[in-house]
Amino acid sequence: AQSVTQLDSQVPVFEEAPVELRCNYSSSVSVYLFWYVQYPNQGLQLLLKYLSGSTLVKGINGFEAEFNKSQTSFHLRKPSVHISDTAEYFCAVSYNNAGNMLTFGGGTRLMVKP
Amino acid sequence: ETGVTQSPTHLIKTRGQQVTLRCSSQSGHNTVSWYQQALGQGPQFIFQYYREEENGRGNFPPRFSGLQFPNYSSELNVNALELDDSALYLCASSLAQGAYNEQFFGPGTRLTVL
Repeated sequence: AQSVTQLDSQVPVFEEAPVELRCNYSSSVSVYLFWYVQYPNQGLQLLLKYLSGSTLVKGINGFEAEFNKSQTSFHLRKPSVHISDTAEYFCAVSYNNAGNMLTFGGGTRLMVKP
Repeated sequence: ETGVTQSPTHLIKTRGQQVTLRCSSQSGHNTVSWYQQALGQGPQFIFQYYREEENGRGNFPPRFSGLQFPNYSSELNVNALELDDSALYLCASSLAQGAYNEQFFGPGTRLTVL
């Protein structure tokens, strides 16, 4: 079965420090990769996506992610976080043989401390 | 351009009842997907509709059913509600059903089953 694993359920970090949120996926077919952010009591907002081309993808709010096919990973990074980045982050995969149905990871709660 | 909207925002039902949740897709989008997000978990795919036909289904029982209308809005119906159906239900629309098509999420409907 296809699956997405977010290795850290919670990541505490101080303001202005760098952060990396990890995501690994299972794959035997081509994939498209997404990171979404969810603020309390809200829906999902797309941060960035990898469809093809350069493996380093830049998104909104200063986030970026790197697609690593050999390690089946798509880790999210930000060089300097702000208090306002406190939220739940979800990695999601769309498998080429499954339409655009998204398989989500369990989420990582980013907690930015002053 | 109006985004994805969902109604109602919150809903409380008792076990055994039936519920209908509604979703209006973003203008021009002909594909609608529904996801269930239990507390503390990532969203799980329920089903997808493309041009009024069910186009894929996740691991949910038949008491979860849906409709898509000619204007591409959609309904999610759940019969014989169980306590475990308590969750945030997210609707997402996309331009088409291909795996690379970005999904745009609504704010969700919070269903509580007592």
